[in-house]
Amino acid sequence: DQQVKQNSPSLSVQEGRISILNCDYTNSMFDYFLWYKKYPAEGPTFLISISSIKDKNEDGRFTVFLNKSAKHLSLHIVPSQPGDSAVYFCAASNTDKLIFGTGTRLQVFP
Amino acid sequence: GAVVSQHPSRVICKSGTSVKIECRSLDFQATTMFWYRQFPKQSLMLMATSNEGSKATYEQGVEKDKFLINHASLTLSTLTVTSAHPEDSSFYICSATLTNYGYTFGSGTRLTVV
Repeated sequence: DQQVKQNSPSLSVQEGRISILNCDYTNSMFDYFLWYKKYPAEGPTFLISISSIKDKNEDGRFTVFLNKSAKHLSLHIVPSQPGDSAVYFCAASNTDKLIFGTGTRLQVFP
Repeated sequence: GAVVSQHPSRVICKSGTSVKIECRSLDFQATTMFWYRQFPKQSLMLMATSNEGSKATYEQGVEKDKFLINHASLTLSTLTVTSAHPEDSSFYICSATLTNYGYTFGSGTRLTVV
């Protein structure tokens, strides 16, 4: 049972435009959500997080939105840059465990 | 910032042998360490959670006798893949956490069993 899902395996965006990565979850007990960026053969790098008591968190070009009623979160990257090309994982937590989504490969082209 | 060192980064072993992967928190004492496995084009799957000095808690479907986890200190956890088979070939990643300080990941280990 996949508790955290990223239904888009890949996304292609032009440089300068907005990238929107989506994530859905099924467990209403999750209280903390995170986004990670991962390059091949490397460990995930933390990007941004949001607590379940908030609906938006912004850090520079990255903004995470949380819709608890829909059990949906999204990561917005604007403006997108070629260096943003990577696999993005959302993750959810309700204890000390992190449950990851399946990842979305983002490609930002010039 | 917090750094987690994972070693080796790549290992090739023969079928039937055992491989040990180390995960060290370099500048903090980790309350808990986690081991993940990633298959190609799939999610990071949590294998087990370990706390220093106690037995690891394995996720459903993970064979504890095959994937031995030792968490001898607050800065070191090891994962030993015993009697490795080609289907154990994967990318293994550790993560360490200190309460309220988030998760820090190692750089991963690519295991290839031939």
